[in-house]
Amino acid sequence: NAGVTQTPKFQVLKTGQSMTLQCAQDMNHEYMSWYRQDPGMGLRLIHYSVGAGITDQGEVPNGYNVSRSTTEDFPLRLLSAAPSQTSVYFCASSYGQFSYEQYFGPGTRLTVT
Amino acid sequence: GESVGLHLPTLSVQEGDNSIINCAYSNSASDYFIWYKQESGKGPQFIIDIRSNMDKRQGQRVTVLLNKTVKHLSLQIAATQPGDSAVYFCAENRNSASKIIFGSGTRLSIRP
Repeated sequence: NAGVTQTPKFQVLKTGQSMTLQCAQDMNHEYMSWYRQDPGMGLRLIHYSVGAGITDQGEVPNGYNVSRSTTEDFPLRLLSAAPSQTSVYFCASSYGQFSYEQYFGPGTRLTVT
Repeated sequence: GESVGLHLPTLSVQEGDNSIINCAYSNSASDYFIWYKQESGKGPQFIIDIRSNMDKRQGQRVTVLLNKTVKHLSLQIAATQPGDSAVYFCAENRNSASKIIFGSGTRLSIRP
């Protein structure tokens, strides 16, 4: 199994541009989530999904959209990038809603200029 | 707002000694607490979790202690090894497994 994969690894955007961060898992996990990690900080939950077709907001959802059309994929869309969205983005998945053993992807480092 | 926080941002330990990483939390409604390890340039890795109705749980070389009276959580690592160098995060879930909230992390460094 590849586990949780994220693309791209690095991205530079100009203010106002939009883009999609890709996340995929091949473990048939129901639960997937997106976090951002700023320097010297913990991870903050952006959005999460408990299964295909179901998404909900986390701690810091503003400026981001998600969808979950399949079990495997959970893309994160930045609608209009801002410098405050410069961060490392991690996708995670777990077996189910009540499983705390989340598997994290390698992260996407995003810089917005 | 309520948060999960850590007492110390850095911890330096002699190789072979035991490490104790502390965490304070303020939400008494949290059901589970989780410890993650994050090595440089990688995503966090699950270490161990503990349910709020327990006060101790042991894993391989790790023990988590939960003191609900003072809202304190600790991670003990026995016989610390160079491979234990990382940032350690405590996290909590609040009422729902869907929202896992992270603390700011403690960096553990190992002296040879």
